[in-house]
Amino acid sequence: AQSVSQHNHHVILSEAASLELGCNYSYGGTVNLFWYVQYPGQHLQLLLKYFSGDPLVKGIKGFEAEFIKSKFSFNLRKPSVQWSDTAEYFCAVTTSGTYKYIFGTGTRLKVLA
Amino acid sequence: NAGVTQTPKFQVLKTGQSMTLQCAQDMNHNSMYWYRQDPGMGLRLIYYSASEGTTDKGEVPNGYNVSRLNKREFSLRLESAAPSQTSVYFCASSSRVNREGTYEQYFGPGTRLTVT
Repeated sequence: AQSVSQHNHHVILSEAASLELGCNYSYGGTVNLFWYVQYPGQHLQLLLKYFSGDPLVKGIKGFEAEFIKSKFSFNLRKPSVQWSDTAEYFCAVTTSGTYKYIFGTGTRLKVLA
Repeated sequence: NAGVTQTPKFQVLKTGQSMTLQCAQDMNHNSMYWYRQDPGMGLRLIYYSASEGTTDKGEVPNGYNVSRLNKREFSLRLESAAPSQTSVYFCASSSRVNREGTYEQYFGPGTRLTVT
């Protein structure tokens, strides 16, 4: 069965630190990958998505992610975090032609001012 | 556009009571979804509707029923609520993004349900 693993459950960083959140999936076919963010008390919003082409994807608010097919990974990065990045981050995968999304369990990021 | 809307925002039920969570989208999306979010477990798919007139079970369908009333509306019903159904419920919708059939989801604001 397809699955998505986010190994970091809680991350605490100081402002201006660099961020990398891990995401690994298990599926051998063509995948489409997403990162969503959930700010406190709000609904999920799309940060970025990968469908095909350039494996380095840039999203909103300075976030980027790199798809490494050989490692089944889609890690999220940001060079310098801000206090306002405090949120929960979810990785999700779907395969072409399917309707179901598989979400990871999420990573709670706390950025200290 | 309002996007995806959900009602109610909060609800407290007693064990055994029933209720229906409403969801509507105004983006002309074909597919709609119901998830529950529990601490440490991420989002789990309850039911989804690939298109108007169809519904399918997701990962955790037991204790729930759904109705795709029309293209805009997708409701979730708890027939006999149990404390294990205490959760935050999110509705989402999506439509085809490109020919390969990738789907970006848009989420509603959620319903926080407590069953005592």
